[in-house]
Amino acid sequence: QVQLLQSGAEVKKPGASVKVSCKASGYTFTSYFMHWVRQAPGQGLEWLGRITPSGGSTTYAQKFLGRVTMTTDTSTSTVYMEVSSLRSEDTAVYYCVRSTMFGWLDPWGQGTLVIVSS
Amino acid sequence: DIVMTQSPDSLAVSLGERATINCKSSQSVLYNSNNKNYLAWYQQKPGQPPKLLIYWASTRESGVPDRFSGSGSGTDFTLTISSLQAEDVAVYYCQQYYTIPQTFGQGTKLEIK
Repeated sequence: QVQLLQSGAEVKKPGASVKVSCKASGYTFTSYFMHWVRQAPGQGLEWLGRITPSGGSTTYAQKFLGRVTMTTDTSTSTVYMEVSSLRSEDTAVYYCVRSTMFGWLDPWGQGTLVIVSS
Repeated sequence: DIVMTQSPDSLAVSLGERATINCKSSQSVLYNSNNKNYLAWYQQKPGQPPKLLIYWASTRESGVPDRFSGSGSGTDFTLTISSLQAEDVAVYYCQQYYTIPQTFGQGTKLEIK
């Protein structure tokens, strides 16, 4: 079955960077987009951007331009998302989630909690 | 960006009764060339990632119980649970995938009365 397995929780200091991984299995990795969505504690869902695993083309939300970088490794079917210059407001659960060319999001990874605290 | 606004923010319904959640987009998400609404609904239970319920505004994802239904077109959409079950307690989100950035409603918390 389709599965997205994310890396474990991280605790970072303000100003640091964090890199979260998402390993895909159960489908042809290069045939689907991979998106990243985050959810701050007790809050709603916020779309960060997406990557095309086959060619590495990326599209980011304006808010995260210059601070978020998504990359892909087709040899391991893994997508990475790095957030730099972390601040406390970046504390959230970060999800990777697959989509077809149309764009609905399914399935979702289990989530990675990133805590930014001094 | 397209702003998605859900109503109400929270809702309490008795078991077996109907639950209705509304979602309004700031601009149409109907793509005229294929006559499809680029609108999805998700269910999120505590401690879990969201789960896709409905896409194309009204197409139920495989395995989703038929008590869940979606309707609407253009800018106004509705998620209906025809007969509320205890396992339906969750937060529900609408999402538009018509354009980038994809955007979500703020969520509607559904509880048992």
